[in-house]
Parts: sequence; structure tokens; C-alpha cells
Amino acid sequence: GDSVTQMEGPVTLSEEAFLTINCTYTATGYPSLFWYVQYPGEGLQLLLKATKADDKGSNKGFEATYRKETTSFHLEKGSVQVSDSAVYFCARAYTGRRALTFGSGTRLQVQP
Amino acid sequence: EAGVAQSPRYKIIEKRQSVAFWCNPISGHATLYWYQQILGQGPKLLIQFQNNGVVDDSQLPKDRFSAERLKGVDSTLKIQPAKLEDSAVYLCASSPGTSGSQETQYFGPGTRLLVL
Repeated sequence: GDSVTQMEGPVTLSEEAFLTINCTYTATGYPSLFWYVQYPGEGLQLLLKATKADDKGSNKGFEATYRKETTSFHLEKGSVQVSDSAVYFCARAYTGRRALTFGSGTRLQVQP
Repeated sequence: EAGVAQSPRYKIIEKRQSVAFWCNPISGHATLYWYQQILGQGPKLLIQFQNNGVVDDSQLPKDRFSAERLKGVDSTLKIQPAKLEDSAVYLCASSPGTSGSQETQYFGPGTRLLVL
């Protein structure tokens, strides 16, 4: 069935550390892939997206590459900041549908 | 541009009571979604509207949940009667409805429901 699997958190890093949050999806059709972020006390907002294989989405120093061969969309950032502390959700949408299937979320805590 | 508005922000009720949530999407957005987010989980789609028609309600517990979208704009989600397992955050989102599966969804702040 339709699913998205994320690494469990919390992930705790020191400022300026390298971040990877793993995300894999079930290979049904050719979905669009998204990372959404939820900062403390705020609503979900789009961080980045990719709509086809080998696309790279990027925003605010974060990147993720749509890997069809490994059905993955891992989120990376070279140097995290305290302000990146949030919950990150990986999500997919079926071709032709807009509703999202979300992973369970990964909480990132960045310490100064 | 105003974002997605939801009310109330918080609600506490007893089991078997009824409750309603309201959502005002971004102006001009044709597609509206209701998601349920249980603590520690990702949001799960309950229902999707395109204008005032239902596109997908396959995961809506129809024996107790109902939703409508008046005139293709505002939407109301109702639970009657509520159960303890309905305790969750109810998220409303909207999207333009013109760009297929790569379309960005814009989320409201959510309504946090606690059923005692």
C-alpha cells in the first residue's frame, strides 16, 4: 500500500553539525515527494519538494534528491542552526492526486 | 495573503458529546483537505474537497464524522458522538487545485481536540 517511512527521532545535534533524516516511500507509480516542517507553536509548512526522479529540492540550506532506484528522499543540511529545531515530515502524493501521505515525523533538536 | 484560518484552536469535550471545527481556506483555492494528526504520528487524510464536491472520503469514519464545504469556500468538520480515540489535532489545508500531485498544500494552525 501507500506508505512513507522516516527515521525515528528525536535527532539531537550540535550547532553546525551535518544533518541527514532518512525517508523511504513505497514505489507505487511516480509520486511527487515533499518535506514539510513544523516549528514549535506553528502550522505545517512546505520546506521543499521534488516531482520526478533525480530532481533535487532545496530551500534554506536543506536539500533532498528524489532517488527512484532506492525509493528514497533523504533530507540533508550541511550545517544546522538552533533555529532549525522542529519536526520534519516526509510526504508523498500519488500521480493525479493531491492528498498527501505523511511519514510519522522526525523531531530535530539542535543544541548551541 | 491571508493563510488558512481555523477555529477554535483548542477544544475539550467529554466522550459522546459533539464538536465542530471550522476552516477558511486561502482565497481562490479550489481544493480543501481535512487531516487528523494523532500525537506522535503524521497527519492522515480524512476528506478532500474539490470546490464543493467530495474527491476522497475513504478514510473518514462516516458513522461519527461528517464534513461539508459550503459554496466551495469555508468548511466544517463535525464529530458526533466523540470517542476518546478522537483526541488529536485536526488540520485543514488548501491548495489551488490546478497543478496535480506536485501542488503545495498550505496548512492552518490546527484545532487541538481533547476528549475526556
